[in-house]
Amino acid sequence: DSGVTQTPKHLITATGQRVTLRCSPRSGDLSVYWYQQSLDQGLQFLIQYYNGEERAKGNILERFSAQQFPDLHSELNLSSLELGDSALYFCASSGQGFNQPQHFGDGTRLSIL
Amino acid sequence: GEDVEQSLFLSVREGDSSVINCTYTDSSSTYLYWYKQEPGAGLQLLTYIFSNMDMKQDQRLTVLLNKKDKHLSLRIADTQTGDSAIYFCAETSNSGYALNFGKGTSLLVTP
Repeated sequence: DSGVTQTPKHLITATGQRVTLRCSPRSGDLSVYWYQQSLDQGLQFLIQYYNGEERAKGNILERFSAQQFPDLHSELNLSSLELGDSALYFCASSGQGFNQPQHFGDGTRLSIL
Repeated sequence: GEDVEQSLFLSVREGDSSVINCTYTDSSSTYLYWYKQEPGAGLQLLTYIFSNMDMKQDQRLTVLLNKKDKHLSLRIADTQTGDSAIYFCAETSNSGYALNFGKGTSLLVTP
């Protein structure tokens, strides 16, 4: 158990809809990262938050947004969903300090019908 | 972005050693990581090595880093069927933020 909790485990929805994925980091971790894993693109970094502030952005679509709340949990919002958004979405967290290792949750599997 | 390359598939017999290889192109890579993903599960951090080291050993796992050739390997001694999984190599650059992953090596351990 990594200590990173993601909900829900599975999400099935239709094109054009909006969903919210939730992540609770390990106790004491201030950084939260979001990654997307798909068969064609592999594991891609989306975005990072540190103590409530956005720190780094990767290949995140404009239809996607995220935030980190004062209690340090994070939410990834995906809107105007397309078939190609079907993927496994991972959250990871890391401790304070430069280059601390990232610990991953079990992911949310999103299926768009 | 910079590339991280891994062979896609490796098959070994139970009890043998497995060696999974990875090459990367970013010369500013500071930390290099190995993660394991079992079916339906998340990514489990196995081990990591700082770029100024050339070897790290942790029980059955040995990581070798050749910084000159930008080559990283993970050796699993006495491989067991429970080691069957996908193994991902990843690196972070001096930005220290995002992990840049390879596509993963699928390890199959046969009895």
